[in-house]
Amino acid sequence: EVQLVESGGGLVQPGRSLRLSCAASGFTFDDYAMHWVRQAPGKGLEWVSGISWNSGSIGYADSVKGRFTISRDNAKNSLYLQMNSLRAEDTALYYCAKGRVLLWFGEGAFDIWGQGTMVTVSS
Amino acid sequence: SYVLTQPPSVSVAPGQTARITCGGNNIGSKSVHWYQQKPGQAPVLVVYDDSDRPSGIPERFSGSNSGNTATLTISRVEAGDEADYYCQVWDSSSDHPLWVFGGGTKLTVL
Repeated sequence: EVQLVESGGGLVQPGRSLRLSCAASGFTFDDYAMHWVRQAPGKGLEWVSGISWNSGSIGYADSVKGRFTISRDNAKNSLYLQMNSLRAEDTALYYCAKGRVLLWFGEGAFDIWGQGTMVTVSS
Repeated sequence: SYVLTQPPSVSVAPGQTARITCGGNNIGSKSVHWYQQKPGQAPVLVVYDDSDRPSGIPERFSGSNSGNTATLTISRVEAGDEADYYCQVWDSSSDHPLWVFGGGTKLTVL
């Protein structure tokens, strides 16, 4: 069964850091781009960051650029998001999502999603 | 940055056809993807590359894309189709490519 399981969320004070993880199973992890997408309470979806299968291409939303860092460990079938200098507006449910197209970074849809991990930034 | 505009809500009676639009500048030149999200659940891909369906998605779900508007069409709407729907494109026009979602449309089945 193809599965993505996020972890690492929690309550954190403004200005602090948090590292999210996403464990993948059921598919050849190192053949696909991976992404983080977040959803603030009661709001819509916002793409946060994406990384190609070989980490050669990486992108960030303007709202997180310079504060968040995406990475992956293909040997561990895992995706990460290091979040620094957290702000109240970063409060959201963070989803890990798989790119649909084999060995491709741009344009493709996200065909598998995890259930998300909640991040709350508050003092 | 590229902006996708969706109506906040669409209502339809069971058995009828629902059409959810996604507007963007020359969106017809881009590949559009659609996601369904039910309350408390993760999004599910229902249409990709304008009009293709992933395996397991009913044929009742279809998509089109031309000019400045992409459309998700749900035929013979069922109560179980009630959900939020989001369109998505990849915007390569800026100096750093990124993925963009529309604001979402809440489909209500009357």
